[in-house]
Amino acid sequence: DGGITQSPKYLFRKEGQNVTLSCEQNLNHDAMYWYRQDPGQGLRLIYYSQIVNDFQKGDIAEGYSVSREKKESFPLTVTSAQKNPTAFYLCASSRTGLPKTQYFGPGTRLLVL
Amino acid sequence: AQKVTQAQTEISVVEKEDVTLDCVYETRDTTYYLFWYKQPPSGELVFLIRRNSFDEQNEISGRYSWNFQKSTSSFNFTITASQVVDSAVYFCALKDNQGGKLIFGQGTELSVKP
Repeated sequence: DGGITQSPKYLFRKEGQNVTLSCEQNLNHDAMYWYRQDPGQGLRLIYYSQIVNDFQKGDIAEGYSVSREKKESFPLTVTSAQKNPTAFYLCASSRTGLPKTQYFGPGTRLLVL
Repeated sequence: AQKVTQAQTEISVVEKEDVTLDCVYETRDTTYYLFWYKQPPSGELVFLIRRNSFDEQNEISGRYSWNFQKSTSSFNFTITASQVVDSAVYFCALKDNQGGKLIFGQGTELSVKP
């Protein structure tokens, strides 16, 4: 089955700790995205990558970092600089040609201890 | 500015009622794409439909239909004969042509009661 997987489903972070959220896709999509969703709100873009070894900041990149070493993988690190990390994180992927429909993974819920 | 507005925060209906979810958008682009996604309680966003700006034909898929009107910058979504399984949060989104990100509305939480 083709799709997007995210792990873990739930993640707990302690003060001052960096944590990494995994996102893997086997859809052969070139582009991948990370969004953050806060309760009762829409999604906001954190980072996106159109191709391997290249990525761009989205609207709320501060306190986050990413890498794109493989086409299939786009991990997101939530650093200690992110002061309010509690949220639901969704990864998506798409083809690079129009219309670029984005398909989403099941999400990771991050909670701060 | 690029913006999507879903003015209805929550809607509650009884099963078999029809319900329309509103979406109004703002964009400076002449060519653009609009999307609807469903987010059930599990959290995953499920793609429902995509429309481009140069095709104003309405679309029907089973109990779902979409009404796209450029003149009013609206892309409304109607569920006919709603069912309990339709309960979810529905998001309307606009694709930003600079970089390809999706600009989401705040979402409408639909509750269908038996």
